[in-house]
Amino acid sequence: QKEVEQNSGPLSVPEGAIASLNCTYSDRGSQSFFWYRQYSGKSPELIMFIYSNGDKEDGRFTAQLNKASQYVSLLIRDSQPSDSATYLCAVSNFGNEKLTFGTGTRLTIIP
Amino acid sequence: DAGITQSPRHKVTETGTPVTLRCHQTENHRYMYWYRQDPGHGLRLIHYSYGVKDTDKGEVSDGYSVSRSKTEDFLLTLESATSSQTSVYFCAISGKVGAEVGELFFGEGSRLTVL
Repeated sequence: QKEVEQNSGPLSVPEGAIASLNCTYSDRGSQSFFWYRQYSGKSPELIMFIYSNGDKEDGRFTAQLNKASQYVSLLIRDSQPSDSATYLCAVSNFGNEKLTFGTGTRLTIIP
Repeated sequence: DAGITQSPRHKVTETGTPVTLRCHQTENHRYMYWYRQDPGHGLRLIHYSYGVKDTDKGEVSDGYSVSRSKTEDFLLTLESATSSQTSVYFCAISGKVGAEVGELFFGEGSRLTVL
């Protein structure tokens, strides 16, 4: 069983709608959760991270964490064509300098 | 943007030849990583370094070695390249003061083809 699982997609969302990206993880000791965005042919870049159960908002992005269900999600409000990319979920234990990445979900925003 | 450069950016080589990829940073970050990215597998950690001469294995370290003799440089060596090592290799750094260790900054990637 892969440690971090994501639906590979593609996920198609109309422009202006909410895109919902999901990630589950197997290690109950995981403490830190990260979302990276990767445009085609480019390197990943950090969008946001979350440690505590609940929601964390940053502009149009909201990360949601439920440690009991071992589930983390990323919501993108008012989706724009520029949000079309692959979104990578990454997980680590507290103080652990190694991240484990999921395989990513490819998101396409349809104008 | 984090000052991190990878070289070479593209390389084609033959099976059995040695290959070295270089990662150079100007940010004085403590941690440096080498990942490979393949379709269907995502990013997988090969090796990482937590200081000069301090390195550790990742999940796919077989066939790879690394060295870090200076804070700014992290080398990845394929002693005898195989076709299964055809991939895109990303270097990443972390350890910015005040930031979380998991906040990685990635280089632009090195595309390696082993024929």
